[in-house]
Amino acid sequence: GAVVSQHPSWVICKSGTSVKIECRSLDFQATTMFWYRQFPKQSLMLMATSNEGSKATYEQGVEKDKFLINHASLTLSTLTVTSAHPEDSSFYICSAMLTSGAGGEQFFGPGTRLTVL
Amino acid sequence: AQSVTQPDIHITVSEGASLELRCNYSYGATPYLFWYVQSPGQGLQLLLKYFSGDTLVQGIKGFEAEFKRSQSSFNLRKPSVHWSDAAEYFCAVTVSGGYNKLIFGAGTRLAVHP
Repeated sequence: GAVVSQHPSWVICKSGTSVKIECRSLDFQATTMFWYRQFPKQSLMLMATSNEGSKATYEQGVEKDKFLINHASLTLSTLTVTSAHPEDSSFYICSAMLTSGAGGEQFFGPGTRLTVL
Repeated sequence: AQSVTQPDIHITVSEGASLELRCNYSYGATPYLFWYVQSPGQGLQLLLKYFSGDTLVQGIKGFEAEFKRSQSSFNLRKPSVHWSDAAEYFCAVTVSGGYNKLIFGAGTRLAVHP
């Protein structure tokens, strides 16, 4: 149980276009989802916290207008990279929290590799 | 600010040998500590976690970790490594009070020689 999927698993786009990445909790409802970015051979950096029905909370240094997050339902959150540029190329990972609170466990999706040409 | 340090970027061990991956954290209060494993094409999988109580925590796949407050450490161990353990391992800490905001270390890549 507690499976999180991401779609697409990889995407290549031209500079200036927008790309949408979906994150779904398949067998549980998640009021909170998280979006991370992982650079090659580096750790995961939290980009934003997404709560169902409310605006996402972005980490310092993350451009909210560049990375649009929508958490429209308890099983789906989307990350849209707007006007993508080569420096946005990265591995994007989402997670969904099974229970609330500081000790709630996060379940991670397999990630989406974005390449911007 | 909270931080997690994994001093070893890359470790190579022989199959059957013991393993210890180091993790140090910087946090004022008692943290919630986690070890995750990342394999290609798969999401991060939780190996084990420490919230409170017994400082020696047992996890999945034969892994264990020990919380040492005096050393601000939470090292991951396995007595006998299998080739399938080759992966990237991340130590993480949660900031208490609110969301489960994980702060990850840089990761340790484990290679296993036959």
